[in-house]
Amino acid sequence: KAGVTQTPRYLIKTRGQQVTLSCSPISGHRSVSWYQQTPGQGLQFLFEYFSETQRNKGNFPGRFSGRQFSNSRSEMNVSTLELGDSALYLCASSLGTGGRQPQHFGDGTRLSIL
Amino acid sequence: DAKTTQPPSMDCAEGRAANLPCNHSTISGNEYVYWYRQIHSQGPQYIIHGLKNNETNEMASLIITEDRKSSTLILPHATLRDTAVYYCIAGRGGADGLTFGKGTHLIIQP
Repeated sequence: KAGVTQTPRYLIKTRGQQVTLSCSPISGHRSVSWYQQTPGQGLQFLFEYFSETQRNKGNFPGRFSGRQFSNSRSEMNVSTLELGDSALYLCASSLGTGGRQPQHFGDGTRLSIL
Repeated sequence: DAKTTQPPSMDCAEGRAANLPCNHSTISGNEYVYWYRQIHSQGPQYIIHGLKNNETNEMASLIITEDRKSSTLILPHATLRDTAVYYCIAGRGGADGLTFGKGTHLIIQP
């Protein structure tokens, strides 16, 4: 069974640009969550989607947004990029919405802002 | 999510059992204990999770104390490939997301 797939693996952007990252969950998984990992702040929760609806959002500015499609694939968008947005962005999927179903992570997209 | 406390680093000899402790004294009744590990430049890998009972799978065993205030992850026969940062998380998961701390850097010595 294929795992969580994130594309692209690496991305370089400049300040002020916007970026879209893509995540394909494990087949059959309907919940997708996004996380940001930086050396200073560690792994932080961005938002979670289930059945195309954002159900929760972490403490990030409105420049960070996302969506989920009917096939459960998800994208996240960051607008007006800042140097501090340089990070590893991780997507995780799970079967359902409760804690009984663990989240499984992809290997992330490493975003570098110049 | 409940706050968790883990030692920052641990060593273990190859072939021996690695026992990683985690304190989660403020865990609430509907919060699970999850364990993940992360090898540099990869995403976190799910290991095991449990609510009240001890759990075992092909990777590890999870021992949760009766009062649920602490737990231990056991890797029965550690190999060099088990060197990683191990995260213990106490939370409801799902839409709440997972709150990762700094974890334990486990180093397996040959």
